[in-house]
Amino acid sequence: GDSVTQMEGPVTLSEEAFLTINCTYTATGYPSLFWYVQYPGEGLQLLLKATKADDKGSNKGFEATYRKETTSFHLEKGSVQVSDSAVYFCALSNAGGTSYGKLTFGQGTILTVHP
Amino acid sequence: NAGVTQTPKFRVLKTGQSMTLLCAQDMNHEYMYWYRQDPGMGLRLIHYSVGEGTTAKGEVPDGYNVSRLKKQNFLLGLESAAPSQTSVYFCASSYSAPRLIRELFFGEGSRLTVL
Repeated sequence: GDSVTQMEGPVTLSEEAFLTINCTYTATGYPSLFWYVQYPGEGLQLLLKATKADDKGSNKGFEATYRKETTSFHLEKGSVQVSDSAVYFCALSNAGGTSYGKLTFGQGTILTVHP
Repeated sequence: NAGVTQTPKFRVLKTGQSMTLLCAQDMNHEYMYWYRQDPGMGLRLIHYSVGEGTTAKGEVPDGYNVSRLKKQNFLLGLESAAPSQTSVYFCASSYSAPRLIRELFFGEGSRLTVL
């Protein structure tokens, strides 16, 4: 079955540091890939997505490129802020067939940014 | 526009008690989902529904039942709660357009503790 593996956390950075959170996946066909973010006490929100190989998703300074050859979708940000402290989830969806858009999530990576 | 609303937000149960979590969405979405979130395990799908009157099992359905009597509501029931069901439960909904990449919209979560 489909699966998503994220780098082990938690990740602690100083403000303005460079962020990378690794994500690799195993799936049949051509899944769509997502990053969701969960701020403290809130539900998950879509951060960015990519639907085919070599697509780059971007939002709020975050970027991730769909790499089919390495089955990866690493999240990056050039300069993190304290307000980026949250839990980040990588996820995939096989949108066709009988999947009904269900998401398969990674285990989540806790990011803490200090001033 | 409330989006996805879950009630209650917190609940403490004793082993063997029953309860129902209610999810309501006002976006006219066809698809609705119940996930549970546990530390180090990401989100796992419990049950989902692709329309009023339909439900299906997800990855971890045992010990839970669901109903979708109205399009806007998706209920998650625990008939006889067990400590292993201590978790944070998230409801989500999405559009049903086929072959489109569906963003999931999440509620704020319901924290359940079973003693």
